[in-house]
Amino acid sequence: DADVTQTPRNRITKTGKRIMLECSQTKGHDRMYWYRQDPGLGLRLIYYSFDVKDINKGEISDGYSVSRQAQAKFSLSLESAIPNQTALYFCATSDPETGSLPDTQYFGPGTRLTVL
Amino acid sequence: QKEVEQNSGPLSVPEGAIASLNCTYSDRGSQSFFWYRQYSGKSPELIMFIYSNGDKEDGRFTAQLNKASQYVSLLIRDSQPSDSATYLCAVNPNDYKLSFGAGTTVTVRA
Repeated sequence: DADVTQTPRNRITKTGKRIMLECSQTKGHDRMYWYRQDPGLGLRLIYYSFDVKDINKGEISDGYSVSRQAQAKFSLSLESAIPNQTALYFCATSDPETGSLPDTQYFGPGTRLTVL
Repeated sequence: QKEVEQNSGPLSVPEGAIASLNCTYSDRGSQSFFWYRQYSGKSPELIMFIYSNGDKEDGRFTAQLNKASQYVSLLIRDSQPSDSATYLCAVNPNDYKLSFGAGTTVTVRA
């Protein structure tokens, strides 16, 4: 089984709809991240969480919210989806206490979201 | 100025040749540097990281870091068609953030 899973893998929705993307991990990592990827722009950080009670905005958090339900689960919500949120969304995890330097991020398979 | 810059490519190399990918970064305080490989439609996969000046080799891959020049590179020796992918350079300017370049697309032609 994959260490980091994302659901759904593909989603098509309409403008104004509320959407939730979910991420689960079995790596036992404390840190979790949400990124979006757009062609030519690389990966950009939306939100990150160092533990269940520590959630922080990334560089492009407007229009998004998150919930860290447990160490293993981190959800991303689009409260009112708009077409320019069409992108590939990745969840990632890391754990700086695993002993490997530096803190290394591992990515889930991604969710392709299309907002019409 | 972007935090991390890469040539977008595409970089086309013949099978068996060396592919050379370059990356520059703006934050002089950056401490660690990563190379990820991403196949089309798939997630980024870590190839290797480097945090000391000089070269680091892992199989057919060699990462090179020059902090004074704010430059990190990746060499792929004996390139194979399976190496055809987009390679992302990522820089860790602080404890939590990874800044990614837009990626260089590599095509290995048989």
